[in-house]
Amino acid sequence: GENVEQHPSTLSVQEGDSAVIKCTYSDSASNYFPWYKQELGKGPQLIIDIRSNVGEKKDQRIAVTLNKTAKHFSLHITETQPEDSAVYFCAASGGSYIPTFGRGTSLIVHP
Amino acid sequence: SQTIHQWPATLVQPVGSPLSLECTVEGTSNPNLYWYRQAAGRGLQLLFYSVGIGQISSEVPQNLSASRPQDRQFILSSKKLLLSDSGFYLCAWTRPGGAAYNEQFFGPGTRLTVL
Repeated sequence: GENVEQHPSTLSVQEGDSAVIKCTYSDSASNYFPWYKQELGKGPQLIIDIRSNVGEKKDQRIAVTLNKTAKHFSLHITETQPEDSAVYFCAASGGSYIPTFGRGTSLIVHP
Repeated sequence: SQTIHQWPATLVQPVGSPLSLECTVEGTSNPNLYWYRQAAGRGLQLLFYSVGIGQISSEVPQNLSASRPQDRQFILSSKKLLLSDSGFYLCAWTRPGGAAYNEQFFGPGTRLTVL
């Protein structure tokens, strides 16, 4: 089955800095790669996603890149703000109903 | 628009008591439904998923069970809770279909504490 590794587990940055979270996956059949943000006490919410026919996608301060050859994808947040502090999950899915999630990254943005 | 509801939001139960958590989805038909548990820490552990009424797949053998009595209703149950059942329970749905529709929409969660 699919295996998704996510790093780092914790990321601490100063407000205004950039943050990068990286994930690798194992199943070459995976073709959908979403990123979720989970604030304390709430359910995860999709913030950006990318499909295998695209190498990069950007939405304001958030971007995701995908390297299918190397089987890794990354989340980039620029100009971080305190409200970006949360746990971020990557996931990969392909031909099944079941996405495989990474273990999460706790992002802390210090004012 | 679609919405997903979970209740209760918070629950404190003694060891050995039964459990029933409910999840309902509005504004869509024939969704795929999922139950996850998030223990202290961050990981999402998939417990059950369902692609239709009465169709339940279990990912982790344990003392929990799930049922889908109606198209948009998903219930998580236990006959006797264990201390290790404490955690944050999340229900999620996706549009019917396969890989092309795997964006998951999560509910607000239920915080379960077993004492």
